[in-house]
Amino acid sequence: SQTIHQWPATLVQPVGSPLSLECTVEGTSNPNLYWYRQAAGRGLQLLFYSVGIGQISSEVPQNLSASRPQDRQFILSSKKLLLSDSGFYLCAWSRDRVLTDTQYFGPGTRLTVL
Amino acid sequence: GQQLNQSPQSMFIQEGEDVSMNCTSSSIFNTWLWYKQEPGEGPVLLIALYKAGELTSNGRLTAQFGITRKDSFLNISASIPSDVGIYFCAGKGEYNFNKFYFGSGTKLNVKP
Repeated sequence: SQTIHQWPATLVQPVGSPLSLECTVEGTSNPNLYWYRQAAGRGLQLLFYSVGIGQISSEVPQNLSASRPQDRQFILSSKKLLLSDSGFYLCAWSRDRVLTDTQYFGPGTRLTVL
Repeated sequence: GQQLNQSPQSMFIQEGEDVSMNCTSSSIFNTWLWYKQEPGEGPVLLIALYKAGELTSNGRLTAQFGITRKDSFLNISASIPSDVGIYFCAGKGEYNFNKFYFGSGTKLNVKP
C-alpha cells in the first residue's frame, strides 16, 4: 500500500531564516506531487505541483520554491522566511490517471514564523 | 481559474441529525472527491466520484456526482460526535489533468 510522509511535523523558525520541508511517497512510482498551504481555519491553496523529476509548476508567486530531486521526493524551500509564510503545509500525491484519479494527503507540517 | 463554491460554510447540528453539503463549479468536472480534515491533520479521502449521476456510499456517508457535472453533494446520516471536522470537496476538470480544485470547506459541529 502507498504511504506519504512529511517532516518535520512542526517547525518554529525566525523571520529571515531558510526553510526546507520534505515529502516522500512510498509504494508507488511516478506519482504527481503537490504542495498546499492552509492558513488557520481556511481552505487549501495550491503552491506547486510536479509531474516528474525536475518538473515543477508554480501556482502562486512568492518567496517559496519546490524541487523534485527523486521520483518520490518533493521538497519545499525558502531562502528567507516571512511572517506570512506561517501555516499548515500539506504534501499530496496522485496517480496521474486522467479518468479515475484520486489525491492523497500527508500528515502536514505546522510552520510558525516568528 | 476554476471556482468551487462549497456550502454551507459551517453547520451546528444535534447528534442523530442528517447533514447535507454541496459544491458547485463554474465549469465541467470529470472527478469529484470528498475529504474530511480533523484539527492538525491532513485531509482524509472519504469518497471519489467519476461519472455523472454516480451515487457512492461509505458507511453513513453518501456522495453524488451531479448530472450537469458542475456539482456534487455529500450527505451524512445519523451524525455522531466523531463526525466533527471540516469537509472539503475537490474536483478535476477537463483541461488540466494534473490539478485538483478545492472548495473552501464546511465546518461541521455536532452536539452530543
